[in-house]
Amino acid sequence: QVQLVQSGAEMKKPGSSVKVSCKASGGTFTSYSFNWVRQAPGQGPEWIGDITPTFGLANYAERFQGRVTITVDISTSTVYMELTSLRSEDTALYYCARDAAVKSPYFNSWGQGTLVTVSS
Amino acid sequence: EIVLTQSPGTLSLAPGERATLSCRASQSVSSGYLAWYQQKPGQAPRLLIYDASSRATGVSDRFSGSGSATDFTLTISRLEPEDFAVYYCQQYFTPPWTFGQGTKVEIK
Repeated sequence: QVQLVQSGAEMKKPGSSVKVSCKASGGTFTSYSFNWVRQAPGQGPEWIGDITPTFGLANYAERFQGRVTITVDISTSTVYMELTSLRSEDTALYYCARDAAVKSPYFNSWGQGTLVTVSS
Repeated sequence: EIVLTQSPGTLSLAPGERATLSCRASQSVSSGYLAWYQQKPGQAPRLLIYDASSRATGVSDRFSGSGSATDFTLTISRLEPEDFAVYYCQQYFTPPWTFGQGTKVEIK
């Protein structure tokens, strides 16, 4: 099974940007979609968007359109999520998660999570 | 987007009892494109059930999923100590993929 290792915790000011990485090892990298999901304290998970390395095209939830960019570096098996114009409501644990199968967007591999704190 | 409403918010049960968790969708989730996850404190969610009723690899047969259209159920037949956690449903029929707000199963 693929292992996903994410970058470390981030403390950001309102209005700034954050870029979180997710490095995959083991398993197939290019064929499966990688997703970004966030979870605010005490809340359910929230899907942000995904990317399939083979195609390099990202899909985003409408509420994040214009503020989020998901990219991939196939040479290093790493997926990135950049979120701009940060506000306090963006404080959450951000997870990358891989589709369990091709074109099957439920997630059986998760990173350890990256805490992003937005505070002045 | 499809809104998933889980009930109850908290379920207080004793080990050995049966747990029944509900997930209701605001519109039909066709083809049973619904998954269930378990999450323990400080951990990422763990996939339990996909396609409404298929168990993920390595998941105990104590866990079973059922339902269709707008009403889905996760049943834990006999609660073991390690089953006390928060459970989430997720639909993947229509993007954006959405999750419920969770049901906490706690020890009575």
